Formats: sequence, C-alpha cells, structure tokens
Amino acid sequence: QQQVKQSPQSLIVQKGGISIINCAYENTAFDYFPWYQQFPGKGPALLIAIRPDVSEKKEGRFTISFNKSAKQFSLHIMDSQPGDSATYFCAASVDSWANNLFFGTGTRLTVIP
Amino acid sequence: NAGVMQNPRHLVRRRGQEARLRCSPMKGHSHVYWYRQLPEEGLKFMVYLQKENIIDESGMPKERFSAEFPKEGPSILRIQQVVRGDSAAYFCASSSDRVLPLHFGNGTRLTVT
Repeated sequence: QQQVKQSPQSLIVQKGGISIINCAYENTAFDYFPWYQQFPGKGPALLIAIRPDVSEKKEGRFTISFNKSAKQFSLHIMDSQPGDSATYFCAASVDSWANNLFFGTGTRLTVIP
Repeated sequence: NAGVMQNPRHLVRRRGQEARLRCSPMKGHSHVYWYRQLPEEGLKFMVYLQKENIIDESGMPKERFSAEFPKEGPSILRIQQVVRGDSAAYFCASSSDRVLPLHFGNGTRLTVT
C-alpha cells in the first residue's frame, strides 16, 4: 500500500505563480519529511525537509507547511520559474533512517513563461 | 568531487537475459541503497548494503534479484532472467551513515524487450 499519498499528479502554473503540492500519511511513527526534486534523466535531489516539531520551514522560494494533527504536509513554490519545471516527490521516514524512506508518487510541475 | 556514479545509463535486455547494474558511492560513503522507479510511480526501496554486508533487503523481490557491495569495487544489482515487468529506472544512493540525507545517482534505465 502507498504509505505516502501525493497530489496532484501534474500541475501547470504560470511563471510568477504559486505551485502547491500536497501529501498525506497515516503512519504516526514518521518523523522526517523530505521533498525531492527530479529533472528528466537525473536522480532525485533533496530540496528541503521538515520534522514534525515545526509547522513551517522556508528556504528561499520553497516552503514546507506541516499539519501534524491532519497528518498532511505540503510544498509551496513561490514565484514559480520555468527552471522549476521538474517532478517533485514528497517522502517520509522513521528516525531519519535511509532504508525506511517512503516516497509519494510524484507531481510533474510545468511552469509556463 | 564526484557524486554517486551509476553505469550503464541505459541497458536493453531481452527476456531471459541477465542485467547487471553498477553503483559507485560518493567518496567517503560506505552505505549504499538501491531503489526502483516504475513509470509514473515514486521510488521504492529495494536493498541497503554496507561493505560486504546486506543490512536490509526487505524491498527486494525474493527471486531473480540479488545485490552485493564487495570490499573492493562498486555495488552490483543483478537481475537474472529478466521479464518485461523489470523495465524501470534503478537508482542507487549513498550516505555516510545509516541516516538521511541520501545522495542519488542518475540511475540506470533498464528496458526489457
């Protein structure tokens, strides 16, 4: 079964707009939530990560919002740029163990000029 | 400062042949992980190895798949008697210890004809 559910599957945003990707989980043991960015033909690269003791984390134009009670978290990309066009994966892990990392199914983001 | 190196980048095999995928971790990393990405799906954990040891193979199919990380040389993921359903992108990742973050290679795209 899918441990982390991700939506939408694809997203088209105008340049300068806000891109929002949502994820949900059931396992309350998860305590580390990274987001990965993947360009075609490349491997995933860590973008930003959050732990459940904070409700928001911001790095540049990228913000993670975390709702522990709802077991949901989301990625917001402010001022989206064509260079942000990629597939984004949310993930969740227990104790930050790398062999316990569960990925969502991905969101293909296209930012149009 | 080379990252995780995977080869080949693309591999085409006929049904019933063997596929060998190689992964050299980042310099200084002794923990290697293999993930599989099926079309339109997220990455799924297969196996976690340290030098000469398989630590966790809970995500590995029971038959036809094997992995090793010898004392010298790259980690190898071997798929015997490939079938069409094995067609996927296989990613290797490495870390300096058991915890995140992971550094991913650019993957090997296996096509079974």
